[in-house]
Amino acid sequence: SSELTQDPAVSVALGQTVRITCQGDSLRSYYASWYQQKPGQAPVLVIYGKNNRPSGIPDRFSGSSSGNTASLTITGAQAEDEADYYCNSRDSSGNHLRVFGGGTKLTVL
Amino acid sequence: EVQLVESGGGLVKPGGSLRLSCAASGFTFSSYSMNWVRQAPGKGLEWVSSISSSSSYIYYADSVKGRFTISRDNAKNSLYLQMNSLRAEDTAVYYCARDRKLYDYVWGSYRIFDYWGQGTLVTVSS
Repeated sequence: SSELTQDPAVSVALGQTVRITCQGDSLRSYYASWYQQKPGQAPVLVIYGKNNRPSGIPDRFSGSSSGNTASLTITGAQAEDEADYYCNSRDSSGNHLRVFGGGTKLTVL
Repeated sequence: EVQLVESGGGLVKPGGSLRLSCAASGFTFSSYSMNWVRQAPGKGLEWVSSISSSSSYIYYADSVKGRFTISRDNAKNSLYLQMNSLRAEDTAVYYCARDRKLYDYVWGSYRIFDYWGQGTLVTVSS
């Protein structure tokens, strides 16, 4: 079982806004980072820290956090955003272990 | 350009052993902590292990502790994962991922996986 909880699946109409959430006790003290994974490919970092995007990640991707919940928002979703999204943080025991959420499959309709 | 290339995967019988390698290039390998992350077929990502830049700090997921050993050779820019007593549930694509430590004025330090290799498949089956 994962210490970070994500909805298994979310859908969004093309061009609309979608929020993907990640819940866990560790998120009260540690930032989540977000990874996009398309079929047959390695994960790619899309959001980290308070709300930072690596070079090359479109600005339609943004992140936020409140209490025990971190969120990844895609504003104006595109067909190429259809993928699995995973959050990651430290585990709640603070013993330097890392944990992933179960992942959210995003479908762009 | 940062590159991480995994190798060493394959088919192994339950109880067997396998050693994975990750060749790094395009950055100063000895300055970064590194990780192994795996993904079982059709499943999500699972962090496996991490090792600090000088090998002073090593951590394992409970699921592999006592069976897997992470190591690195900074002179060869390489990361390794020695996997012993393999089980069917260890079947997965194994990724190496670079660790980046960052700082924030609110929450202090935090870590991310900023670069990933393409992965190597390990299949444990009789």
